[in-house]
Amino acid sequence: SQQGEEDPQALSIQEGENATMNCSYKTSINNLQWYRQNSGRGLVHLILIRSNEREKHSGRLRVTLDTSKKSSSLLITASRAADTASYFCATPSRDSNYQLIWGAGTKLIIKP
Amino acid sequence: ETGVTQSPTHLIKTRGQQVTLRCSSQSGHNTVSWYQQALGQGPQFIFQYYREEENGRGNFPPRFSGLQFPNYSSELNVNALELDDSALYLCASSLWREGPNEQFFGPGTRLTVL
Repeated sequence: SQQGEEDPQALSIQEGENATMNCSYKTSINNLQWYRQNSGRGLVHLILIRSNEREKHSGRLRVTLDTSKKSSSLLITASRAADTASYFCATPSRDSNYQLIWGAGTKLIIKP
Repeated sequence: ETGVTQSPTHLIKTRGQQVTLRCSSQSGHNTVSWYQQALGQGPQFIFQYYREEENGRGNFPPRFSGLQFPNYSSELNVNALELDDSALYLCASSLWREGPNEQFFGPGTRLTVL
């Protein structure tokens, strides 16, 4: 079963614009992670945000977490062609902290 | 620091056959997780190994089995292959410690079952 659901499923923007994607989850969590995947290959960890954090930054990435709404957002500012990828949120399973439950991802396309 | 590697890159098998996929963890990591990712979907957790023992399992049948070796490399074995087993298989290594930790993924093995 999938815990997180990303929205939108696909997003196409011009280079230089900002991209925002959202993740909703069902059960209470102690952290939420965002990953990027290029061309159906391995995933790369982007940011981990804990349940007691509301916002976290890493370079051009900004992640927010609203535990009351069970949702998170990932903002990529000043997008580049190299940001074209699928983006996934992942949360620990309700039963164990080591099992990550993933959404279906947002496919982001940056047009030059 | 060596990253996570997987072999082979691609594999084609027929229904009923058996397959073994291999993963070499990142240096210093003691935990490996395996995921199945169908086309257009997010990864599905298969199982995790810590100190050579299965440390948790997702909703996969027993014909999916694994091993972790003393050097923390790992194998995923799938018996009696079915068409639906066609997917990208990802392994991820991490360092087990208290609290959440990030996982480092290999490039995956693309398995096609005909």
